[in-house]
Amino acid sequence: EPEVTQTPSHQVTQMGQEVILRCVPISNHLYFYWYRQILGQKVEFLVSFYNNEISEKSEIFDDQFSVERPDGSNFTLKIRSTKLEDSAMYFCASSRQGASTDTQYFGPGTRLTVL
Amino acid sequence: ILNVEQSPQSLHVQEGDSTNFTCSFPSSNFYALHWYRWETAKSPEALFVMTLNGDEKKKGRISATLNTKEGYSYLYIKGSQPEDSATYLCASPHGSGNTGKLIFGQGTTLQVKP
Repeated sequence: EPEVTQTPSHQVTQMGQEVILRCVPISNHLYFYWYRQILGQKVEFLVSFYNNEISEKSEIFDDQFSVERPDGSNFTLKIRSTKLEDSAMYFCASSRQGASTDTQYFGPGTRLTVL
Repeated sequence: ILNVEQSPQSLHVQEGDSTNFTCSFPSSNFYALHWYRWETAKSPEALFVMTLNGDEKKKGRISATLNTKEGYSYLYIKGSQPEDSATYLCASPHGSGNTGKLIFGQGTTLQVKP
């Protein structure tokens, strides 16, 4: 069964460094998402992406963050100049159509630790 | 801002017990309610997408009901097994009809003791 994959599973970085989190969505899906969960808090939406552009972003998703689909398979989240409060589990998800009734399939997450 | 709440936060049951937990959401501008099952170190697994008031869906020993008028959904597990131990998340799409932005509840963590 097709699945969303994410690499790395765990990333440790120093405050101020840039990180790139990678995702391979399900191949025939057209909508891609990033969510994150800070320890002890709810899973929160960061950004949605369709047709090579951002379709919606949350107030968390400021200029520090960017997303890209560099080729036909990868979907990346870049965090520039990481802060301590960026430490979280980051999830990638994809869906076929992007509608509110469409199932989003999640990857296993990347745990980002900023020291 | 859409607020999705789940209760209880955690639940400990014995193997064989049946259990249920609740997800509540604003009843206005309802589009869908998603349930996920999340085991540690694994991907959250989609269980159900519910859309119609009175809807009931079933997957093995797990079932869910939906009441859009009062803004809640119940998830039931019949005859809990240790492998049911996981965090169960519900989420509702935010904003206008065709948006994939999911707003999550805080989850219910279920521990089933053998």
